[in-house]
Amino acid sequence: DTAVSQTPKYLVTQMGNDKSIKCEQNLGHDTMYWYKQDSKKFLKIMFSYNNKELIINETVPNRFSPKSPDKAHLNLHINSLELGDSAVYFCASSQAVGAYNEQFFGPGTRLTVL
Amino acid sequence: SQKIEQNSEALNIQEGKTATLTCNYTNYSPAYLQWYRQDPGRGPVFLLLIRENEKEKRKERLKVTFDTTLKQSLFHITASQPADSATYLCALRSESSASKIIFGSGTRLSIRP
Repeated sequence: DTAVSQTPKYLVTQMGNDKSIKCEQNLGHDTMYWYKQDSKKFLKIMFSYNNKELIINETVPNRFSPKSPDKAHLNLHINSLELGDSAVYFCASSQAVGAYNEQFFGPGTRLTVL
Repeated sequence: SQKIEQNSEALNIQEGKTATLTCNYTNYSPAYLQWYRQDPGRGPVFLLLIRENEKEKRKERLKVTFDTTLKQSLFHITASQPADSATYLCALRSESSASKIIFGSGTRLSIRP
């Protein structure tokens, strides 16, 4: 009965490759997010979707493209991977987009680019 | 630019004592402040939310204060236990629904028996 799930948990790949990370939430939430946590543990928002619509799009290279096929899923596709993309990527969801809503995080995907 | 600082990267205290973690911010006017716990290899887990017009919030052994004049939040864990050992993150958000949540880098708390 996992609330927010991500696959894969670990991803090791070569520079220049294209990869995807999938996220699903079974909480019935309207809003989903992607975060990047770097080696210094800073958790930085990348994207946010509300009811499948993009509402937050931080300054992220356009090699990163989120896709939300439905409210329960938010996938992250990364083209032409670079060494600096190595990090842990977290998906999260919240009931609604309002600022008072707590966020539920997935277990993270550790991406290593060689 | 907006900045959040958590008082120390690591805090080590004796079991049974009260742990106090600090979150300071600059160039920001948050409407809400949240605290999360993160264990190694896991995603953050929500603990408490406090609004700008609230001075204090409690939940079991946890207490959070929010001082918008000092631009500071304090997070207390009373009667600390080794199981409380984790990284604690504060996060700020303004009222706008389109606003992003900004996280601090966290304080790694270790409770020794």
